[in-house]
Amino acid sequence: EAGVVQSPRYKIIEKKQPVAFWCNPISGHNTLYWYRQNLGQGPELLIRYENEEAVDDSQLPKDRFSAERLKGVDSTLKIQPAELGDSAVYLCASSLGSATYEQYFGPGTRLTVT
Amino acid sequence: AQSVAQPEDQVNVAEGNPLTVKCTYSVSGNPYLFWYVQYPNRGLQFLLKYITGDNLVKGSYGFEAEFNKSQTSFHLKKPSALVSDSALYFCAVRDVSTLGRLYFGRGTQLTVWP
Repeated sequence: EAGVVQSPRYKIIEKKQPVAFWCNPISGHNTLYWYRQNLGQGPELLIRYENEEAVDDSQLPKDRFSAERLKGVDSTLKIQPAELGDSAVYLCASSLGSATYEQYFGPGTRLTVT
Repeated sequence: AQSVAQPEDQVNVAEGNPLTVKCTYSVSGNPYLFWYVQYPNRGLQFLLKYITGDNLVKGSYGFEAEFNKSQTSFHLKKPSALVSDSALYFCAVRDVSTLGRLYFGRGTQLTVWP
């Protein structure tokens, strides 16, 4: 069974530039998550989707971050414009449902903003 | 508010010895508790979870964890450590009353020396 796929694995951009991350979850997983992991910290949720609906986006900085999951399968997370403080690892995860189900994580995208 | 504490940034243990990685939590309702492991340049991998029932839960790679409601703890244990267990371990909690987000601890770096 294929795991969660993320691309790119690494991205280096200058501040004020846009950047986008892509995620393809495990087949059949209705719930998709985007997390940000800063150095030395645990992941922090940015947004959670149940199928196409964003059900928890309260931690997403909406002035510069956006996300979409148009057909309820793969998802894109965008930052525009990027700031130095956005340097982090962006993790995508999926699960069969929420609550009791464990999440399966992709390898992440390491973003460096210079 | 929900939170997770991993009081030790680092745990060092000799191969063959038992290991414990500590975790305490705070939630307003009943908790769902999870342990994940992260290897370098890889996403988090699910180890085990407590939802309900037996306080001792067994997971992957010989790991187990004990749920202690009175002490609000969920310590990860293994009877005999392997060098290959060296990794970053994260405890996470979800509040069942809200079906809300997963809160991660800061992580504990486990080093098993030969």
